[in-house]
Amino acid sequence: KAGVTQTPRYLIKTRGQQVTLSCSPISGHRSVSWYQQTPGQGLQFLFEYFSETQRNKGNFPGRFSGRQFSNSRSEMNVSTLELGDSALYLCASAGTPPNYGYTFGSGTRLTVV
Amino acid sequence: AQSVTQLDSQVPVFEEAPVELRCNYSSSVSVYLFWYVQYPNQGLQLLLKYLSGSTLVESINGFEAEFNKSQTSFHLRKPSVHISDTAEYFCAVSDKEGGGATNKLIFGTGTLLAVQP
Repeated sequence: KAGVTQTPRYLIKTRGQQVTLSCSPISGHRSVSWYQQTPGQGLQFLFEYFSETQRNKGNFPGRFSGRQFSNSRSEMNVSTLELGDSALYLCASAGTPPNYGYTFGSGTRLTVV
Repeated sequence: AQSVTQLDSQVPVFEEAPVELRCNYSSSVSVYLFWYVQYPNQGLQLLLKYLSGSTLVESINGFEAEFNKSQTSFHLRKPSVHISDTAEYFCAVSDKEGGGATNKLIFGTGTLLAVQP
C-alpha cells in the first residue's frame, strides 16, 4: 500500500513569510505526527493529531500550528518564518493501536533565506 | 522527562566486521523502544521495535537489539556489516503512559555508521 506522502519535497521561503506543509498518511491511519529535524537540535516532536484533534504538543512557539482533516490528511503551518526554522520536517502516521511504530514520509526540506 | 542517549555520534567499521550502536534511555517506567535508520535525503525507516515479551528483537536485514530493563539500554548489533548499511541510526522511546495513547517519540541524537571497504 502507499506510504506516507509529504508535499512539497523542497521549499525556499523568505524570512517573515508563512508556509504550509502537507502530509497524507497511510490509508486507514488516523494518527499523524510532525517532527522537525535540524543538525543542531536533532529530531524534535512538534505535535500529533488523531481524528482531527491535537492530542499532544511539543515545545515549539505558537508560530507552529497544524490541523488534520476528516480524511486524516494533515497540514502544518509556520508563520513569520525565521532563519532558524530551516529544517527537514517529517510527518509520520500510525495505525491503531498507536504504539506499533510510526511510518515516516520522506520529509519536506524547508530553507528560509 | 524522558530522554535518550546515543553516546557515539559516529562509528567507523570495516565491511564484514561486527558493530554495536549504543542506546540508553532515562526513565524506568514502561516504554516502547525503536530503532530507525535514515539514508541521505530520506525520511526515517523503522528498523525494529520492542513492545513487550522477548527482550531480543530482530530485523529482516540482520540487525538485532536487546532490551535491558535494569540498565535501561537498547543497544543495536549486527554480526557482519555491509557497505549498504552506511546510514544514520536513531534510537527512540515512547512512554506507555496513558495506555499507550501518546504517540510522542523521543529521539536520540543519532549515530552515523560509516562502513569502510
